[in-house]
Order: sequence, then structure tokens, then C-alpha cells
Amino acid sequence: QKEVEQNSGPLSVPEGAIASLNCTYSDRGSQSFFWYRQYSGKSPELIMFIYSNGDKEDGRFTAQLNKASQYVSLLIRDSQPSDSATYLCAVMAQGGKLIFGQGTELSVKP
Amino acid sequence: DAGVIQSPRHEVTEMGQEVTLRCKPISGHDYLFWYRQTMMRGLELLIYFNNNVPIDDSGMPEDRFSAKMPNASFSTLKIQPSEPRDSAVYFCASSPRQLQETQYFGPGTRLLVL
Repeated sequence: QKEVEQNSGPLSVPEGAIASLNCTYSDRGSQSFFWYRQYSGKSPELIMFIYSNGDKEDGRFTAQLNKASQYVSLLIRDSQPSDSATYLCAVMAQGGKLIFGQGTELSVKP
Repeated sequence: DAGVIQSPRHEVTEMGQEVTLRCKPISGHDYLFWYRQTMMRGLELLIYFNNNVPIDDSGMPEDRFSAKMPNASFSTLKIQPSEPRDSAVYFCASSPRQLQETQYFGPGTRLLVL
């Protein structure tokens, strides 16, 4: 089992819809979780991080964490074509290393 | 701030040659990370440094890979000899004192080994 798993997609949603990106992790002791966005040919950039169970909102983005289920998600409301990118889920392992999932490719159609 | 700077941005070399990738972290950041990204394996951590000292190099694939950080503003990742399977995008990232804060990625070096 991979340490961090994501559906590779592509996930296609119409403009204005909600995009839901999911991630599961294997290390029950993980405490910190991150969502990065990576445009094609560019470097990853941090969108959000979450440490506590529940929801964390930042503009159109909401991160959700359920440690009991070892599940992290990212919701993007009012999706825009500019949101089309690969979204990487990352979990902080012991020692401070980030373990990344394979990423989910999101395509927002106008 | 200029962000994390990497050079070269693109490198094409022949199998067996030595390759050196360079990174300048954001000033004042105590942590520096080297990652490799491929379609097959995704984004993998190779090694990271804290205050110029290597902390975890368990991700370095084999002895052909070595990394150094001689001072707070410069790091190198060297592959000698290079092989076609080393072809990937290599990212350098840095983060401030607190490990749990965000890592800022450089633009990456696209390496192609023929």
C-alpha cells in the first residue's frame, strides 16, 4: 500500500461547479497535511495545510481532515478554468519529511 | 525575494557523464530539500538539510547520487555517472525554521540523460 494515495484522474468538472479531490494516507500517526497545486511544467505551490480534524476554509478552497478515517480532501467551489492543474496531497512523516501522493489532474471546462 | 533559484533549468547529457544541479534557497530558510519528479514515481524526496547538515538521505537512490550544502546559500546535487533512468525534473525547496511550515519550491531542473 502506498503511503499517500490519490485518484490520478483526470477529474473533469464544468466551470462554476464544485471540484472534490480526495486523498488517503497510511500512517495513522501523521499530524500535518498539505495540498499543493502544480500547473503543467511548473513547480508545486502550496494551497492549504490542515492539522486538525474538520474543515478549514480559505476563499474558494476548503480542506477537510478526518484522522479516524485517514482521509483528507480538498473542495474547490466555483471552479474556474484557471484551476485546471494537478493537485498533490502531501503528508508530513516522522522527521519532517513530506510524502506526496501521485496527484490528481483536474480539468475545469468552460 | 527572488525565491528559490535553481540552475541549470534544462540539462541534456549523455549516459556516463557527470551532472551537477545547483540550488540557492530563500535567504533565512534553515531547511533545504531535494526532490525528484517522474511520471512513474511522482514527487520523491531525495535528501534534506537543516542548517547545512544532511538530516535524511534515505531517498537518495544509490551511490551515484550525492548532495552537499557548503553554506546556507548554496547546495548541489551531483549524479556521477548519469544513466537514462535518472531523467526527471529535480526540484529544490526551502522552508523556514519550523518544519511544518510551507516548503517553497524552485522552478526545477529538467534533466534528460541520453
